[in-house]
Parts: sequence; structure tokens; C-alpha cells
Amino acid sequence: EAGVTQSPTHLIKTRGQQATLRCSPISGHTSVYWYQQALGLGLQFLLWYDEGEERNRGNFPPRFSGRQFPNYSSELNVNALELEDSALYLCASSLGGTYNEQFFGPGTRLTVL
Amino acid sequence: GENVEQHPSTLSVQEGDSAVIKCTYSDSASNYFPWYKQELGKRPQLIIDIRSNVGEKKDQRIAVTLNKTAKHFSLHITETQPEDSAVYFCAASGSNTGKLIFGQGTTLQVKP
Repeated sequence: EAGVTQSPTHLIKTRGQQATLRCSPISGHTSVYWYQQALGLGLQFLLWYDEGEERNRGNFPPRFSGRQFPNYSSELNVNALELEDSALYLCASSLGGTYNEQFFGPGTRLTVL
Repeated sequence: GENVEQHPSTLSVQEGDSAVIKCTYSDSASNYFPWYKQELGKRPQLIIDIRSNVGEKKDQRIAVTLNKTAKHFSLHITETQPEDSAVYFCAASGSNTGKLIFGQGTTLQVKP
């Protein structure tokens, strides 16, 4: 069974630009989660999508947004990039409902210059 | 606010020794507590988890204990091996929030 996949592996942008990160969940999983792993700050929850709807949001500004498609894949968009947005962005997926086990993808390394 | 404190930040043990990592959470509504292992340059990997209706869970050399009254949970690794060297993260989640609140991580080094 294929795991969670993310693309691209690396992304380099300049300040003020927009970044789009993509995630494909494990087959059968309907929930997708996004986390930011910045150096020295651990993993911070960004967003949770389930059945196409945003279910919960972490303490991040509105320029962090996303969506989930009918096939349950997801996209994270970061607008007006700032230097401090440089981080590893991890996507996780889980079965919907009351299941909580989250399985992570390899991440997208975003560098903002 | 919601917070998970994890200790120690670094841990060095000899191969064959045991390792214990401790976490404390603040939100009493938390009911799910997973542990992840992250090797350098790799994705976090779920190694064990425990739910609030259980006090202890074991899986081979790994065990997790939960004290809901004290809001503490711990990871125990016995007979450590060099391949156990990694960063370990604890996390806590409340019912139907989807959000995992992570500790800051523990870098475990197992010396051969």
C-alpha cells in the first residue's frame, strides 16, 4: 500500500511570492492534515480537511490556506511569502470519523529567499 | 492554551540500556497520545499510541504509559539498539479536533 505522497520535494521562492504544495493521502483515507516543521520549533498544526471541508485551523495567518479535492488530495497555499515561512511542510492523512492515527508524508522543504 | 512539554531534549544511552521520555499535556480534554520517531531527513513515523481509556500499552521493546490524573505520559524503550537513534516526538489530541499538539522532541542517541 502506497503511503502519503507530497510534491514538490523542494521549493524555492522569493519573499512576497506564492507557494503551492500538494499532498495525496493513503488510499481510503478521507482526512488530510498540514503541519509546519520549522527549525527548532517542532511540528505546528496548520489545517485539517475532511470530506472536502476545512474542519480545524491552527494559529497561522489567513495567508495560509488550502483545499481538499473530491479525490481527497489536498493543496496548501501560502501567499505573500515571508522569510520565516521557510520550513518543512508535512502532510498527514487518516481515516475519517473518530480515527486519529495520522500517517505522514515525506514533506516539502520550502525555502524563502 | 494547549501545550505539550517533553523532556529531556537530548538523551544518550549505551546500547542495551533503557530509555525513558516524558511528556506533560495541559488540555484535560486530550484523549489520544501518539509517539512518532523521526530519523534525519525522513518523515515522522508513528511507533505507538495510547488512548485515554488505557493506562499502558506495549509493543515489543516499546511501551507507553498514561496518567490522566497527572496529565503525564511516557515512552519506554528497552534493550536499545543503535537504530533506535532518532528524534522522538510525543503528541496529544482532543476528541474530534484533528489537531495533534506536539512536544518539542527528544534526540535519542544510542551508543554502540
